[in-house]
Amino acid sequence: EAGVAQSPRYKIIEKRQSVAFWCNPISGHATLYWYQQILGQGPKLLIQFQNNGVVDDSQLPKDRFSAERLKGVDSTLKIQPAKLEDSAVYLCASSLDRDEQYFGPGTRLTVT
Amino acid sequence: AQSVAQPEDQVNVAEGNPLTVKCTYSVSGNPYLFWYVQYPNRGLQFLLKYITGDNLVKGSYGFEAEFNKSQTSFHLKKPSALVSDSALYFCAVRDHNTDKLIFGTGTRLQVFP
Repeated sequence: EAGVAQSPRYKIIEKRQSVAFWCNPISGHATLYWYQQILGQGPKLLIQFQNNGVVDDSQLPKDRFSAERLKGVDSTLKIQPAKLEDSAVYLCASSLDRDEQYFGPGTRLTVT
Repeated sequence: AQSVAQPEDQVNVAEGNPLTVKCTYSVSGNPYLFWYVQYPNRGLQFLLKYITGDNLVKGSYGFEAEFNKSQTSFHLKKPSALVSDSALYFCAVRDHNTDKLIFGTGTRLQVFP
C-alpha cells in the first residue's frame, strides 16, 4: 500500500513570495489533514477535509493560507504572501477512520 | 480544552535498558490517547493508541503504554531499548468535538550503545 505522498520535500522562498504544497493521500482515505510543525513544537492542525468538504479550519490563518481538495483526493496548501514565521515543516496526513492517521514525509519550508 | 504535556525534552538511555517517555493529559470526558514517533526527515508514524479497555496497550516495535486514570498519565515504555529507537516521540489526544489530534511538544529519545 503506497503511503501519503507530498511534494516538494524542501522549499526556500523569500518573504512575501507565494508557495504551494501538494499532497496525495492513501487511496480510499476520506479524511485529509494539513499540519504545521514549527521546530521544537508538536504538529498543529491547520485544516481537516472530509472528502472535499472542510471539517475544521479554525487554526488556518485565512488571510494568507488557503487549501483545497478538489474531487476529494489530492490537496494543495498555499501560502501567499509568506512571512518569516511560516518557516516550518508542513505535514499532510490521511485516515480511513477516526483512530489512526498516516503521515507523509512533510515539506520543509524556509522563508528568508 | 484537551491537552497533553510531555515534561521531558530529552530522555537518554543505554541500549538494553528499559525506557520510559512520559505524557500527562488533560481532557473532559474519556481520553483518546496516541503515541507517534518521528524519525529524521520523515513523517510521524503511529505507534499505539488507547481508546478503551486494558490499561496496558501494546504497539509497534515492542513499545507499550500504560494508561493511568488517577494520575492522568499515558507513559510510553519499552523493556529493552535499541539504538534504532532514537527518535522524536509525540503524545497526542483526540479532541472529542472535532476528532483532531492535539500533540504534545515531543520528547527526543537518545539510546546510547
